[in-house]
Amino acid sequence: DVKVTQSSRYLVKRTGEKVFLECVQDMDHENMFWYRQDPGLGLRLIYFSYDVKMKEKGDIPEGYSVSREKKERFSLILESASTNQTSMYLCASSFLALDSNQPQHFGDGTRLSIL
Amino acid sequence: KQEVTQIPAALSVPEGENLVLNCSFTDSAIYNLQWFRQDPGKGLTSLLLIQSSQREQTSGRLNASLDKSSGRSTLYIAASQPGDSATYLCASQRGAQKLVFGQGTRLTINP
Repeated sequence: DVKVTQSSRYLVKRTGEKVFLECVQDMDHENMFWYRQDPGLGLRLIYFSYDVKMKEKGDIPEGYSVSREKKERFSLILESASTNQTSMYLCASSFLALDSNQPQHFGDGTRLSIL
Repeated sequence: KQEVTQIPAALSVPEGENLVLNCSFTDSAIYNLQWFRQDPGKGLTSLLLIQSSQREQTSGRLNASLDKSSGRSTLYIAASQPGDSATYLCASQRGAQKLVFGQGTRLTINP
């Protein structure tokens, strides 16, 4: 079974802090994704990566950056946390297929609160 | 811009009933349509993926259909069980594996 592991289930930080959310997958997937999930807004894509050191902006990248130094690990960075970044953050991964028809596999999420 | 809508937002049915969850999307130029399940406080579990060239996919008691021309997909659950209670999300995939999600239908199966 595919395993996508997010380092923390719950995290509380203060405004202005630099916050790192870590995600590791064990299936040698090329693609990795970061989403946030908010009531009434659903899941929205923040950033994704299709290879080591490669990244692309999703729909809501403002206030975030990412790092992918190794294939199995994808980090989401909040450069200066703000209260509007309080949310559930979900990491996902998938194979890179020529026909793009590969399901995404999700971690259990990190519930981040910014005080 | 692709928009994905799921109606109703919540559904409650007695155990044993067959049921249909609906998903509609505005742009028919999709790679595929995916259905996920989310349990409270958890991540998403992939249920079914229907490629744009396919009309339906089946897995056990689940059957998903896709009609690109009308911008609709349905998830059919046969002989529902209390363990099927969860939020079900559909998502359309556009280029480079970018998914656009609906808001989900929260399903409750009553014993």
